[in-house]
Amino acid sequence: SQTIHQWPATLVQPVGSPLSLECTVEGTSNPNLYWYRQAAGRGLQLLFYSVGIGQISSEVPQNLSASRPQDRQFILSSKKLLLSDSGFYLCAWSALAGSETQYFGPGTRLLVL
Amino acid sequence: AQKVTQAQTEISVVEKEDVTLDCVYETRDTTYYLFWYKQPPSGELVFLIRRNSFDEQNEISGRYSWNFQKSTSSFNFTITASQVVDSAVYFCALIMNRDDKIIFGKGTRLHILP
Repeated sequence: SQTIHQWPATLVQPVGSPLSLECTVEGTSNPNLYWYRQAAGRGLQLLFYSVGIGQISSEVPQNLSASRPQDRQFILSSKKLLLSDSGFYLCAWSALAGSETQYFGPGTRLLVL
Repeated sequence: AQKVTQAQTEISVVEKEDVTLDCVYETRDTTYYLFWYKQPPSGELVFLIRRNSFDEQNEISGRYSWNFQKSTSSFNFTITASQVVDSAVYFCALIMNRDDKIIFGKGTRLHILP
């Protein structure tokens, strides 16, 4: 069966510091991968998605970036965090076929101080 | 343009009551898929159901049931005999045929009071 991991689970970082969040999927090959952000008490915002290694689509211009160095690894990064980057970050995967169900990881809670 | 509307921002009911969460969607496509996800306090989104646009048969899974009506572009979710563990934020979502991106509603926060 497929599983999706995210780490760290929680993170407190000062403004201006770098960020690296990691997401890995097990039990499937060639998945679509997604990064979402959820601000406190709000809905889901799609940040990036990837249909293959090195292929990244950005949905919202911001100071975040994403990379997919391996088939089942998706990384969310920032060189300098802003206060507004605080939130709950969710990674998801789906089969590479279009219109597929997305399955979510446990999430990372990021607090920027 | 495609859109999902969950008009109920927050609902509170007493345990054992039935509750219905509304979802209205907009799309011009004839082939699409609808979803419901549950987000408990832990934060992880849990997949509940996926329906395609050609299958309007209602579905029941234990205390959960879903009513899909294309005539009103609605995909409502009912919890029967609610329990405290049902307290969560519930998201309705839509994806077009062959698309990679799901369109989420803003969610309904459900409180089940003991």
